[in-house]
Amino acid sequence: TQLLEQSPQFLSIQEGENLTVYCNSSSVFSSLQWYRQEPGEGPVLLVTVVTGGEVKKLKRLTFQFGDARKDSSLHITAAQPGDTGLYLCAGPSWVFNNDMRFGAGTRLTVKP
Amino acid sequence: ETGVTQSPTHLIKTRGQQVTLRCSSQSGHNTVSWYQQALGQGPQFIFQYYREEENGRGNFPPRFSGLQFPNYSSELNVNALELDDSALYLCASSSQSVANEKLFFGSGTQLSVL
Repeated sequence: TQLLEQSPQFLSIQEGENLTVYCNSSSVFSSLQWYRQEPGEGPVLLVTVVTGGEVKKLKRLTFQFGDARKDSSLHITAAQPGDTGLYLCAGPSWVFNNDMRFGAGTRLTVKP
Repeated sequence: ETGVTQSPTHLIKTRGQQVTLRCSSQSGHNTVSWYQQALGQGPQFIFQYYREEENGRGNFPPRFSGLQFPNYSSELNVNALELDDSALYLCASSSQSVANEKLFFGSGTQLSVL
């Protein structure tokens, strides 16, 4: 069923702290994407990781794709209030690769 | 700002009614995908339209149907509404119907079924 489980479900931290959120599956994915969704808005794509073991950096955000392509992590350094939002991971279905399977997300709150 | 617009932004219906949601894709995009996002969940794929044809469908019953027009805008129709249909409905446009193509999401339509 290609379920993606994200943890933690909720995370509340102070500005300046570091954090890591996780996206795990028992299934192999050809790629994984990370999105951020703010209240009242649709998800916005942050990154796509394709190769097992791949690491991508986007300013203070570091994304890693597991060697076995079953998991991914997002690390944020020195979090800022503007990082607040729902972080979603998603991967393409085996059956129809334009069907993106989303996890339930990690809701991050960064307090000033 | 993604260039993808959805209307209406909010809608309240009663059980058994029918609803039509609309989506205008970003200029130059020929592919529109629809997703349902229930409270506390991630988006779930309903179907995709590519060049006016349905191009893949998720695990949703036939009372969920859609259309894509020659200008690539799209509609999502839901018949015989049920309470569990209450959710945020998102459309996403892309320039191609291929894997890993960047999806540009609209802000969604919040549907409440009473």
